[in-house]
Amino acid sequence: EDQVTQSPEALRLQEGESSSLNCSYTVSGLRGLFWYRQDPGKGPEFLFTLYSAGEEKEKERLKATLTKKESFLHITAPKPEDSATYLCAVQELNAGGTSYGKLTFGQGTILTVHP
Amino acid sequence: DGGITQSPKYLFRKEGQNVTLSCEQNLNHDAMYWYRQDPGQGLRLIYYSQIVNDFQKGDIAEGYSVSREKKESFPLTVTSAQKNPTAFYLCASSNPGSAQYFGPGTRLTVL
Repeated sequence: EDQVTQSPEALRLQEGESSSLNCSYTVSGLRGLFWYRQDPGKGPEFLFTLYSAGEEKEKERLKATLTKKESFLHITAPKPEDSATYLCAVQELNAGGTSYGKLTFGQGTILTVHP
Repeated sequence: DGGITQSPKYLFRKEGQNVTLSCEQNLNHDAMYWYRQDPGQGLRLIYYSQIVNDFQKGDIAEGYSVSREKKESFPLTVTSAQKNPTAFYLCASSNPGSAQYFGPGTRLTVL
């Protein structure tokens, strides 16, 4: 069974204080790893997809990296508007080497950035 | 604008009632999904559909039903058999192997 564990559960940063969020996963065959941002009371917003170990993606102050067992979301010089819950999800390859599209989500990391 | 719409935003259900949550997408995506989100928990898959007139149970399908008569629409019915329906419900869509895009959600409360 696929498992996704995110740490820490909550992270408080001062504006400008860089840090990283972790997503550890167990899956028999990885089709893709996805990062989302969710604001309170809203649906998740897609950020990145990573497909293979060593891959990196960047968007503004965010950078996502992937190894064979975990992914990191690095936040450089965060601003208060980066405050949100960040969700990680994995998509497994099925026996035929394709994907059903089903995502398994972690519980999320609640990020708060203080001015 | 392309996107996913969900209605209503807030829904209140009395004991014993069935209620239906609407989900519509104009992204021309083949697959659609329903998730449930509870406080402090990750999203859990209720049902998904990869093509019209076909759908599969997810991890927590008991007490829910769906239909997929049109590519654009994937309504979810929360039946009276669902004993703890109070939650935030999220609909998503995607093309095969690609990222899922989410709607704004419906918050269901049992009175």
